[in-house]
Amino acid sequence: AQSVTQPDIHITVSEGASLELRCNYSYGATPYLFWYVQSPGQGLQLLLKYFSGDTLVQGIKGFEAEFKRSQSSFNLRKPSVHWSDAAEYFCAVHSGNTPLVFGKGTRLSVIA
Amino acid sequence: GAVVSQHPSWVICKSGTSVKIECRSLDFQATTMFWYRQFPKQSLMLMATSNEGSKATYEQGVEKDKFLINHASLTLSTLTVTSAHPEDSSFYICSARTGTGILGYTFGSGTRLTVV
Repeated sequence: AQSVTQPDIHITVSEGASLELRCNYSYGATPYLFWYVQSPGQGLQLLLKYFSGDTLVQGIKGFEAEFKRSQSSFNLRKPSVHWSDAAEYFCAVHSGNTPLVFGKGTRLSVIA
Repeated sequence: GAVVSQHPSWVICKSGTSVKIECRSLDFQATTMFWYRQFPKQSLMLMATSNEGSKATYEQGVEKDKFLINHASLTLSTLTVTSAHPEDSSFYICSARTGTGILGYTFGSGTRLTVV
């Protein structure tokens, strides 16, 4: 069965610093990969997704993610974090017609 | 773009009563919708897959008789929590597949249910 692992439960970064959120997946074939952001009490907003092609994917709000097949990873990055980026971030995977499977999430705190 | 509207945003109900949550696709037809449940500070757990015109497919451990799902039209799926108890208090989120295959998913804004 496919699974998603987000090793970091909580990360704190200073405003303006760079950010990397880790995501590893377990699946026999190349899955379709997503990153979502959730503000407290809100639904999910899609940041970016990877289906095929260029392994470096650009998303909204200045985020990017890189698919590395050899490492089964799809880490999310941002070169300079803003205070408004504080939220919960979820990595998700699906294949074919299966529903999305989510990681447990990483909570990002941003300090001045 | 594809928008999913979920209503209500929050609801408080008494134990033993039933609560209905609606999920509507506003500008597209959604033959398949998904219902998730999220406990505080935890991830989203898929409860069931709702297919228009047919019975929902429930994940293991989800009580079908407690969480009634109806998907009577291509733009509306409903989740009814029957005989609610405090342990049913949670954040419920619906999602619709936009297009076919892997084109993506759009999420509703969620419903915070509190059972007192």
